[in-house]
Amino acid sequence: DGGITQSPKYLFRKEGQNVTLSCEQNLNHDAMYWYRQDPGQGLRLIYYSQIVNDFQKGDIAEGYSVSREKKESFPLTVTSAQKNPTAFYLCASKGSSGATKAQYFGPGTRLLVL
Amino acid sequence: GQNIDQPTEMTATEGAIVQINCTYQTSGFNGLFWYQQHAGEAPTFLSYNVLDGLEEKGRFSSFLSRSKGYSYLLLKELQMKDSASYLCAVRVVDYKLSFGAGTTVTVRA
Repeated sequence: DGGITQSPKYLFRKEGQNVTLSCEQNLNHDAMYWYRQDPGQGLRLIYYSQIVNDFQKGDIAEGYSVSREKKESFPLTVTSAQKNPTAFYLCASKGSSGATKAQYFGPGTRLLVL
Repeated sequence: GQNIDQPTEMTATEGAIVQINCTYQTSGFNGLFWYQQHAGEAPTFLSYNVLDGLEEKGRFSSFLSRSKGYSYLLLKELQMKDSASYLCAVRVVDYKLSFGAGTTVTVRA
């Protein structure tokens, strides 16, 4: 089955620690996205990548980093510079064919700070 | 910046109809999306409007007026499983969506 997977489902971060969230898709989509969701707020874009080996900052990139070495994979690292990392993190991908070009989301990773 | 407004919460009875409004003021417009999100889960794509008018998909319909910066999602014959958050999102440019904060719909028996 084609889809987007994220792991882990829950992640705990200690003070000063970097953590990496995984996102994999087998939909053959070129574009991939990372969003952060906080209660009472809309999804906010962290980083996006429209093609392999290229990515751009979104609206709230500070304290985060990404890589896009393979089409299928777009991992997100939450660095120690991110002072308020507790949130629900959603990865999405988007194909380039079809009129709608909707973004499709993975199941999410909930990050909690110890 | 982008401004997308939708009500925070709505409550309706099983079998009834609910209309969720979304108004937007954005720097660009290339389509409007509605997503459904159950608590703790991923948003799932419901509908897409890029031209004015009504799009119908089973029990769900979505309407767009570009001149008014306005859309609504209509949920008919409400079922308990429709209790969820509904997200309005505007495609500002080809690669970027801006999201509203979401409307939590509670369906009561």
